[in-house]
Amino acid sequence: DAGVTQSPTHLIKTRGQHVTLRCSPISGHKSVSWYQQVLGQGPQFIFQYYEKEERGRGNFPDRFSARQFPNYSSELNVNALLLGDSALYLCASSLSGGGDTQYFGPGTRLTVL
Amino acid sequence: AQSVTQLGSHVSVSEGALVLLRCNYSSSVPPYLFWYVQYPNQGLQLLLKYTSAATLVKGINGFEAEFKKSETSFHLTKPSAHMSDAAEYFCAVIPRGGNNRLAFGKGNQVVVIP
Repeated sequence: DAGVTQSPTHLIKTRGQHVTLRCSPISGHKSVSWYQQVLGQGPQFIFQYYEKEERGRGNFPDRFSARQFPNYSSELNVNALLLGDSALYLCASSLSGGGDTQYFGPGTRLTVL
Repeated sequence: AQSVTQLGSHVSVSEGALVLLRCNYSSSVPPYLFWYVQYPNQGLQLLLKYTSAATLVKGINGFEAEFKKSETSFHLTKPSAHMSDAAEYFCAVIPRGGNNRLAFGKGNQVVVIP
């Protein structure tokens, strides 16, 4: 079975631009979560979606938004990019919520110049 | 809010020696506890998970972790380190009865010395 997939693998943008990152969960999983991992740190929670509804949001500015589609795939959007947005963005899927194990994709490495 | 403490960002261990990575959590109700491993330029891979069935949890690649409520700890061990164990290890928690957001520790970068 395919694991969590993310696209693109790498991305280079300049300050002020907009970026869209994509995630496809494991088949049968209905929850998708997004995390930001800055170099040398543990991942930080950004969003969780379950059944196409936002179930949680971390301490990130409104420039960050996300959505989940009927097929349970998800997009993370970041507007007005800042240098500090450079990070590895990880997507994780789980069956539902409430402590279910989250399985991570390989991530998208975003570099903002 | 839940927090996780991992001490010692870099851990060096000789090949064949015991690997011990410490994790402490801060909550009165034991959360769900996880250990993940991250190899260079990759995502996170689940090593093991504590729910409440057993205090000693066995994971992949010969790793295991023991939950100790009295110490609010969930330390990760492996009896004999291999070169392939060189990676970054993260302890993480999810509070029970709450949302599904993982809260991670800062991680331990494990270096295996031949």
